[in-house]
Amino acid sequence: DTEVTQTPKHLVMGMTNKKSLKCEQHMGHRAMYWYKQKAKKPPELMFVYSYEKLSINESVPSRFSPECPNSSLLNLHLHALQPEDSALYLCASSPWGLSYEQYFGPGTRLTVT
Amino acid sequence: ELKVEQNPLFLSMQEGKNYTIYCNYSTTSDRLYWYRQDPGKSLESLFVLLSNGAVKQEGRLMASLDTKARLSTLHITAAVHDLSATYFCAVDQGGSEKLVFGKGMKLTVNP
Repeated sequence: DTEVTQTPKHLVMGMTNKKSLKCEQHMGHRAMYWYKQKAKKPPELMFVYSYEKLSINESVPSRFSPECPNSSLLNLHLHALQPEDSALYLCASSPWGLSYEQYFGPGTRLTVT
Repeated sequence: ELKVEQNPLFLSMQEGKNYTIYCNYSTTSDRLYWYRQDPGKSLESLFVLLSNGAVKQEGRLMASLDTKARLSTLHITAAVHDLSATYFCAVDQGGSEKLVFGKGMKLTVNP
């Protein structure tokens, strides 16, 4: 299995909702990432997990809460989001840190109403 | 702070033509990555360049890395419409699990 999967593909949520994004990989990769991408912009790193521990938080607002339950799974919990949080959320994994390429999932298109 | 610049940011070219695009970065790094992104889609890894002088080719695309000049090039040979996409280069900061992306170059290949 050489892919990163993400669910859901699309999500529409109100500002008072709580929802979660899910990311899964079965390549034995030890680093997993969350990115946010706005239209016509490069991906912005949000969080990095290495060996299931949070190693980088790019000063992301607390309404985004990451979780890594095991080495194959990465979640992003969303609560009280703002319309400006609407974006494509990408998950990626890599074998270890950045010695190797990052493999990106298909993304979740999030719309906050 | 590592900065990554791509040049040009927009390119419209005719099918069959050749062109080179550039990615330069501001601090020492031996590792550079090229990605392709189609509209509304995710990023697809094209090339991983891990040392000075690295050259990789896939189809009509060839990428190279000169770490002394802090420069990577992506050469397009005999462009076809299917190459139309946005191309990102990214550099890691060395010792940090973080990639810094360029702004991306939007390529349009016209028949």
